[in-house]
Amino acid sequence: EPEVTQTPSHQVTQMGQEVILRCVPISNHLYFYWYRQILGQKVEFLVSFYNNEISEKSEIFDDQFSVERPDGSNFTLKIRSTKLEDSAMYFCASNSLLETQYFGPGTRLLVL
Amino acid sequence: AQTVTQSQPEMSVQEAETVTLSCTYDTSESDYYLFWYKQPPSRQMILVIRQEAYKQQNATENRFSVNFQKAAKSFSLKISDSQLGDAAMYFCACRTSGSRLTFGEGTQLTVNP
Repeated sequence: EPEVTQTPSHQVTQMGQEVILRCVPISNHLYFYWYRQILGQKVEFLVSFYNNEISEKSEIFDDQFSVERPDGSNFTLKIRSTKLEDSAMYFCASNSLLETQYFGPGTRLLVL
Repeated sequence: AQTVTQSQPEMSVQEAETVTLSCTYDTSESDYYLFWYKQPPSRQMILVIRQEAYKQQNATENRFSVNFQKAAKSFSLKISDSQLGDAAMYFCACRTSGSRLTFGEGTQLTVNP
């Protein structure tokens, strides 16, 4: 069964460093998303991406964040200058026109 | 915009028994979808069940079923014959067509042997 994959599974970085989180959505899906979950809290929406552009973003998704689909398979989230409060689990998700979003296993980001 | 509320931070059930997790939501849209996701300790988000708002029939997936009360904006999850592997955090979520998922706060389910 097709699945969303994410790399790396864990990332530790120093405050102020740039990180890139990578995702490979399910191949025939058209809509892509990033969510984050701070430990012990609910899952929060960051950004959605369709037709090679951002379709919606939350107030969390400020200028420090960017997304890109550099080729036909990868979908990346870049955090330009990480802060301590960026420590969280980051989930990539995708869906086709059938509306169910499927999630990747997540990347656990720790900012020191 | 949607809001989703789960009023039970924690629930417990005996193995083989039935448990119901509550969820209420609010949306101004007439076309929307409701979901329950399970998050085990690995923290992966796993789809449990989905319900289209336009369908009157409650969705069922094996031991999992929902009670969808559209007028009351209620969407509860019933787990029958609970198993140890059902222990996880359960999130209720709502989305309108083409948009983000909005999640509730989650309910931590413990299954006692």
